Amino acid sequence: GAGVSQSPSNKVTEKGKDVELRCDPISGHTALYWYRQSLGQGLEFLIYFQGNSAPDKSGLPSDRFSAERTGGSVSTLTIQRTQQEDSAVYLCASSPQVGGSGNTIYFGEGSWLTVV
Amino acid sequence: DQQVKQNSPSLSVQEGRISILNCDYTNSMFDYFLWYKKYPAEGPTFLISISSIKDKNEDGRFTVFLNKSAKHLSLHIVPSQPGDSAVYFCAASLRIMLDRIWVGNNRKLIWGLGTSLAVNP
Repeated sequence: GAGVSQSPSNKVTEKGKDVELRCDPISGHTALYWYRQSLGQGLEFLIYFQGNSAPDKSGLPSDRFSAERTGGSVSTLTIQRTQQEDSAVYLCASSPQVGGSGNTIYFGEGSWLTVV
Repeated sequence: DQQVKQNSPSLSVQEGRISILNCDYTNSMFDYFLWYKKYPAEGPTFLISISSIKDKNEDGRFTVFLNKSAKHLSLHIVPSQPGDSAVYFCAASLRIMLDRIWVGNNRKLIWGLGTSLAVNP
């Protein structure tokens, strides 16, 4: 597709279960980002990939969170042993590797996670 | 500590009038600023941006002004339309250090909390 694609769009899970969120970036975009927005909060940076490597993992909230990217394309964000505070919308974004100082980030529509 | 601040959580204007959304930042290392618009149940979509070497950028009804000395930027929407009703996020861009080398094209965005704009018919 033309845009950043995320799945599932909605997920309700029981506390303690693992969830996997998938992101398919815009074709050719080398940078991929995961963000989270909890109710009433701003967008929170989680992790960033350049190709398949993640040079900046500082935003992952705990060791229950992990992410990987394979083939420089699809990425998965995994949350183990989910807690209620993990309930949020998880946004994926991608950006092209281009010259100049501007590099716009394009967002997907998000995966809405509810932990009950 | 919030490095990008949008102090007005909401704004209401009349259709046809000007909407002014404000954003303040604290980090003088930010070199690129972006505005995103977000409708309910959707991800943010890019609206307009400005480099720190400029003080104004215009795109149709949208103009962004940057005052580096005051560490302040604003988004003007003229004339405002009901379809502009959304949450507007200000974001500041910081180059990321990769293997101790500044990589200008790899960026982390620092976000404000957003301002909810309502344009009344």
